[in-house]
Amino acid sequence: DVVLTQTPLSSPVTLGQPASISCRSSQSLAHIDGHTYLSWLHQRPGQPPRLLIYKVSKRFSGVPNRFSGSGAGTEFTLQISRVEAEDVGVYYCMQATHLPPYTFGQGTKLEIK
Amino acid sequence: EVQLLESGGGFVQPGGSLRLSCAASGFNFNTYAMNWVRQAPGKGLEWVASISGNGVIQDTDSVKGRFTISRDNSKNMLYLQMNSLRAEDTAIYYCAKGDFDNQVWESGIYWPSFFHDWGQGSLVTVSS
Repeated sequence: DVVLTQTPLSSPVTLGQPASISCRSSQSLAHIDGHTYLSWLHQRPGQPPRLLIYKVSKRFSGVPNRFSGSGAGTEFTLQISRVEAEDVGVYYCMQATHLPPYTFGQGTKLEIK
Repeated sequence: EVQLLESGGGFVQPGGSLRLSCAASGFNFNTYAMNWVRQAPGKGLEWVASISGNGVIQDTDSVKGRFTISRDNSKNMLYLQMNSLRAEDTAIYYCAKGDFDNQVWESGIYWPSFFHDWGQGSLVTVSS
């Protein structure tokens, strides 16, 4: 199974400042069809996860453009250009290249300093 | 508007059984693979099982032989029959679906490449 390792596990950030979360995969997430199926989700306390980014860098409908994704192969990054209060919560990366199973990173908790 | 509404969670003793249901609306149910994802208290997300529109199943190793995913396309319902429950199965169980235009080909079936519609979840507690 693909193991996704996120760093950091906790990220205290000042409002208005940037934030970055890394997701490293135990094997390349490049699919034979040419796509890379790495997505990012955000979960607020008591809520289900919400999709932010799919296929590494595509923002899902309605996601603010302060969120961006990048990477290739085994190294991926989620960046928030200017953190807002509503961005607190836990962020997960997820892969769908090597199925089954779908696997998730262990999560990164974003909190405001 | 897509809606996914889970039900059937509750408290059960180890070794017991529960059946979760997910009522789906707002989309053409029988054309989408449907999925269960769980989250233990204070922990991360774990995929449990998926079922294609025509009933092909994938599930994670830790539930094989104990959990069975199924669907009734005539009722727009997704199910998870959970038998031989263990304390480590305690979690919120989410019903989730992906996007028809973003799927990945695996073992002859198209599966969602991400999950973007989620229910609110159903809590299952396994304890003596």
